[in-house]
Amino acid sequence: QVQLVESGGGVVQPGRSLRLSCAASGFIFSNYAMHWVRQAPGKGLEWMALISYDGNNIYYADSVKGRFTISRDNSKNTLYLQVNSLRAEDTAMYYCARDMDRSGWNWFDPWGQGTLVTVSS
Amino acid sequence: DIQMTQSPSSLSASVGDRVIITCRASQSISSYLNWYQQKPGKAPKLLIYAASSLQSGVPLRFSGSGSGTDFTLTISSLQPEDFATYYCQQSYSTPPEYTFGQGTKLEIK
Repeated sequence: QVQLVESGGGVVQPGRSLRLSCAASGFIFSNYAMHWVRQAPGKGLEWMALISYDGNNIYYADSVKGRFTISRDNSKNTLYLQVNSLRAEDTAMYYCARDMDRSGWNWFDPWGQGTLVTVSS
Repeated sequence: DIQMTQSPSSLSASVGDRVIITCRASQSISSYLNWYQQKPGKAPKLLIYAASSLQSGVPLRFSGSGSGTDFTLTISSLQPEDFATYYCQQSYSTPPEYTFGQGTKLEIK
């Protein structure tokens, strides 16, 4: 079945970096664009980044532009998010999600279970 | 930037009730609107895409409607498993910027 499994979260000090991973299975990963979405504790969903199926087109939310880098390795069926210069407000559950596209309409399905990043000294 | 506003932010209802959640966009987004359900401690799950298309496997009691700036998610007869938080999301922006509403928490009365 289609599955996304995130990893790489943890407790990290402010200013440090982290690389999150999202392992995909059950579908042809190289055919799909992918997203990262985060959710701060008790808060709503915030879209952060999109990468096209081949990695050639990348888009970021303004809130993370310049600090976060999305990438993918289609040979390993894995999506990444490099998060730098972490701040307390980056504390959140980080989800990856597959982009579904039909005639220009896009939606996210499925989502991974998330990996928790806690920024604390 | 397109802002998405849901109402109400929270809602108490009983099993069997008909519930309507609304989502308003700050500008017209045609039908580029999706709905997700999130239960505590779980990842979001797609319910409705393109404003009114029901995702495969989602019960028929869920329906979506609207276009332009005003959208609704309707649950025709609440079931115990429907108590969750619901989010709308726009996918209209170019370049892509997938804004979510702030969420509507549906609780048991």
